Amino acid sequence: SQQGEEDPQALSIQEGENATMNCSYKTSINNLQWYRQNSGRGLVHLILIRSNEREKHSGRLRVTLDTSKKSSSLLITASRAADTASYFCATDAPGGGADGLTFGKGTHLIIQP
Amino acid sequence: DSGVTQTPKHLITATGQRVTLRCSPRSGDLSVYWYQQSLDQGLQFLIQYYNGEERAKGNILERFSAQQFPDLHSELNLSSLELGDSALYFCASSVGQPGNTIYFGEGSWLTVV
Repeated sequence: SQQGEEDPQALSIQEGENATMNCSYKTSINNLQWYRQNSGRGLVHLILIRSNEREKHSGRLRVTLDTSKKSSSLLITASRAADTASYFCATDAPGGGADGLTFGKGTHLIIQP
Repeated sequence: DSGVTQTPKHLITATGQRVTLRCSPRSGDLSVYWYQQSLDQGLQFLIQYYNGEERAKGNILERFSAQQFPDLHSELNLSSLELGDSALYFCASSVGQPGNTIYFGEGSWLTVV
């Protein structure tokens, strides 16, 4: 079973708009990571946020973490066509290996030019 | 480029056959993970090795086996293949510590016909 659940399952926006994706998880975690996957390609690590952090930035990415609600959000600002991809949250909850990750099913983001 | 190398990129084989997928981790990484990605199951953790030894087991079928060699490369063996085994198989690597970033290869597309 999946630990993380991303919402929405799919999102289509215009280029230049901001995209927000949410992730909810079930068990306590030490950290949460976001990955991007272009169609049929490998997963690319975007950002890691630890359980004692509330917000983290990396370029046009902003991640928040609310451990009391067991949720995280990924915001992509000023979206570009190249941001079209699937985005996954992953936690270090049990089920992903001794120090591995358990993934949600992802949000498919489409940026329309 | 994540530094994780997987071969082959694509393979098509018949039901009942056996295939071997190969993975070279990033330089310096001791931990190797195998994941299976399919449309209906999402990303499923299969198995993890650390420095040559099995560290954690996930949803890996008995028909599947893996190993990590002294040079740290890993192989995933899939036998008695069924149509439902068609999926994208990812290898990932990390230093093998909690909270570490896990880097993914580009995957091996397996189609069973």
